[in-house]
Amino acid sequence: NAGVMQNPRHLVRRRGQEARLRCSPMKGHSHVYWYRQLPEEGLKFMVYLQKENIIDESGMPKERFSAEFPKEGPSILRIQQVVRGDSAAYFCASSPSKGQGVNEQYFGPGTRLTVT
Amino acid sequence: AQTVTQSQPEMSVQEAETVTLSCTYDTSENNYYLFWYKQPPSRQMILVIRQEAYKQQNATENRFSVNFQKAAKSFSLKISDSQLGDTAMYFCAFMDPDAGGTSYGKLTFGQGTILTVHP
Repeated sequence: NAGVMQNPRHLVRRRGQEARLRCSPMKGHSHVYWYRQLPEEGLKFMVYLQKENIIDESGMPKERFSAEFPKEGPSILRIQQVVRGDSAAYFCASSPSKGQGVNEQYFGPGTRLTVT
Repeated sequence: AQTVTQSQPEMSVQEAETVTLSCTYDTSENNYYLFWYKQPPSRQMILVIRQEAYKQQNATENRFSVNFQKAAKSFSLKISDSQLGDTAMYFCAFMDPDAGGTSYGKLTFGQGTILTVHP
């Protein structure tokens, strides 16, 4: 069973460009979480999605950031008009549904975004 | 909102010795989960150990064990027989699985402790 997959692993964008980060959850997992890790800091929750639904986006910046988890395909975190402050590692985690017990999250390897 | 505090930015230990990493948290909830994650230089987040708040018995996973003090809201990680491969950033994390539906499963992380194991 493949783990959580994220791509690309490294992404370089110039200021003003768009960044698209992809996350494929573990097989059978229907819950996806995105976290951001700024340099020298812990991970901060951004958004929680289930298939075709955003459940909690309380950690997402109000502008330029959006996320989706379509019925088919990976979850996408999209950052429009990137700025230097968006440079960070973005982690995706997935978990099975609540009915299957403790909501243990499995993390992907992260995408390191660098804005130049 | 829950908060998680790791008061030790850096720790070091000699190989084969024991080290304890501290974590405190703040919550008004009674039912929750606590985790320790390890982040080696590869940056992959690896689950080390977890504790359910309703369980009085401290969790143990091989060389890793926790000291869970619910009343004091303390959740420390003890690493016995430290190995060079234990060198990593360690994060304490809190989860409230019943938080009003929308926060279900959201992890709140501490700032992290960098652990260096010396040969």
